[in-house]
Amino acid sequence: DAKTTQPTSMDCAEGRAANLPCNHSTISGNEYVYWYRQIHSQGPQYIIHGLKNNETNEMASLIITEDRKSSTLILPHATLRDTAVYYCIVRQGGSEKLVFGKGTKLTVNP
Amino acid sequence: GAVVSQHPSWVICKSGTSVKIECRSLDFQATTMFWYRQFPKQSLMLMATSNEGSKATYEQGVEKDKFLINHASLTLSTLTVTSAHPEDSSFYICSAQQGSGNQPQHFGDGTRLSIL
Repeated sequence: DAKTTQPTSMDCAEGRAANLPCNHSTISGNEYVYWYRQIHSQGPQYIIHGLKNNETNEMASLIITEDRKSSTLILPHATLRDTAVYYCIVRQGGSEKLVFGKGTKLTVNP
Repeated sequence: GAVVSQHPSWVICKSGTSVKIECRSLDFQATTMFWYRQFPKQSLMLMATSNEGSKATYEQGVEKDKFLINHASLTLSTLTVTSAHPEDSSFYICSAQQGSGNQPQHFGDGTRLSIL
């Protein structure tokens, strides 16, 4: 079973920041948080991952709370093409497996 | 970088035939490749993990004799669905990972398999 909890769906206005929350209260010390997204009928796209420090790349920022029990993915300026299902995944310690939950369906509205 | 190509993207075939799906890492060497299946309106389910030159490790409930996986090189893995039946119709997706540990997996665009 997935070790994360995400809202089922969210809406965001085009051009605004999209903040997607994820709870992972049972995360272990050596487990990373990964974010992927899946646009309809395509394979998942890697976005970002982190352990405990905040991370930023050309796609998004990842904010991890100090206790590591939750995180937020931030898309700074959402576009219509960011409409997708976003998956927050805690990678099992010592394993390479990714266990996908149901994710958050983000809809970016014009 | 980190491009994974999957072929074919879409296949329709008759019940009882075998179908081979290829997964290639185009710009990196993949130590490990993964095969997933996704039914409509459901999330991805891991089927098996394969390391180059080794036998694949299958998840519980996945028949290894039905879903044959070959990972003969660091850039190519194949999944063969043998004697496919309508219940095998699904979206099959591969991913590839360079190195071990916490390197991210990169996914192909999937193969939509329809068995008539």
